[in-house]
Amino acid sequence: SQTIHQWPATLVQPVGSPLSLECTVEGTSNPNLYWYRQAAGRGLQLLFYSVGIGQISSEVPQNLSASRPQDRQFILSSKKLLLSDSGFYLCAWSWEANYGYTFGSGTRLTVV
Amino acid sequence: QKEVEQDPGPLSVPEGAIVSLNCTYSNSAFQYFMWYRQYSRKGPELLMYTYSSGNKEDGRFTAQVDKSSKYISLFIRDSQPSDSATYLCAMGRGGTSYGKLTFGQGTILTVHP
Repeated sequence: SQTIHQWPATLVQPVGSPLSLECTVEGTSNPNLYWYRQAAGRGLQLLFYSVGIGQISSEVPQNLSASRPQDRQFILSSKKLLLSDSGFYLCAWSWEANYGYTFGSGTRLTVV
Repeated sequence: QKEVEQDPGPLSVPEGAIVSLNCTYSNSAFQYFMWYRQYSRKGPELLMYTYSSGNKEDGRFTAQVDKSSKYISLFIRDSQPSDSATYLCAMGRGGTSYGKLTFGQGTILTVHP
């Protein structure tokens, strides 16, 4: 069966510090991968998606970037965090998005 | 106007009640419809998936889609305290293999004993 791992679960970072969140998927190959952000009281905002190694599409221009160095690894990064980067970050995978995603457990990021 | 509108609630019901959760959408390109359940501080989990108008039942849950009215619903029968969570509707467009889902804002549901 397929599993998705996301870490860390919580993170408190000072403004201006770098960020690296990692997501890995097991039990499948060539998945579509997604990074979403969920702000308090708001829906899920798609940040990046990837259909293959090195292929990244950005949905919202911002302070973040994503990379996919391996087939089942997806990384969300920032060189300098802003207060507005605080939120709940979710990684997800799918074979065919129209049949639904499987989400990771999320990372709660607080920028102070 | 948002592509997907969902009443954020919160919605509070007694145990055993029938719960109705709803979303409306404006883009007729949406062909696939999902409901996710999200417990506090957890990732969303897929509850129901459907692509056709009509009803789909799974245990205590029924998903209803009315494409002509651009309206989807999730019904929960005999609601339990364990159903307390945020419920998100999601929609996908047809025709792409790496399609992106559009989510509603989520409805916070509390079922009290």
